Amino acid sequence: EAGVAQSPRYKIIEKRQSVAFWCNPISGHATLYWYQQILGQGPKLLIQFQNNGVVDDSQLPKDRFSAERLKGVDSTLKIQPAKLEDSAVYLCASSSRAFREFDEKLFFGSGTQLSVL
Amino acid sequence: KNEVEQSPQNLTAQEGEFITINCSYSVGISALHWLQQHPGGGIVSLFMLSSGKKKHGRLIATINIQEKHSSLHITASHPRDSAVYICAVSHFSGGGADGLTFGKGTHLIIQP
Repeated sequence: EAGVAQSPRYKIIEKRQSVAFWCNPISGHATLYWYQQILGQGPKLLIQFQNNGVVDDSQLPKDRFSAERLKGVDSTLKIQPAKLEDSAVYLCASSSRAFREFDEKLFFGSGTQLSVL
Repeated sequence: KNEVEQSPQNLTAQEGEFITINCSYSVGISALHWLQQHPGGGIVSLFMLSSGKKKHGRLIATINIQEKHSSLHITASHPRDSAVYICAVSHFSGGGADGLTFGKGTHLIIQP
């Protein structure tokens, strides 16, 4: 079974530039999450999709971050313009779980490490 | 907002030792996850618990819902178990949102 694919693996940009990350979840997984992990901290949820709809984006800094999952499959996360504090690993995860099925695991991609200079 | 606390933050042990990592949370949850993160690597989901105990190989995870506490145990630890172990909790809401709240992780080093 192919895992969650993310690209690029690494990205270095200057502040005020734009950047986009791509995620392809495991085939058939309805739920997709984007997390931000700052060095030394646990991941923080940015946005959760159920198919192509957003179910939680309460912690997404919407003035600069945007995400879409137009066909309910792969997803992109964009930062425009980037700030120094956006330097982090951006993790994508997917699950087939819908609402109240407790036995499904989450599957994470390898992440995109972003450095903003 | 749920607060997730893990202990210890760092743990160094000798190969073969029995390892215990603890996780406590402040608000009732729908499920608790134990995750493993290797340096430079992605995160692997080890367990998802809503009650009781699960075992997979040398790994055992338990949860006490009343005490809002979970433990991850590693028996016969091995250097390849060296990683960051992260506890995360989820809440199912009426709208289906269930993004995880993560602890800061326990950095485990197993020395040969």
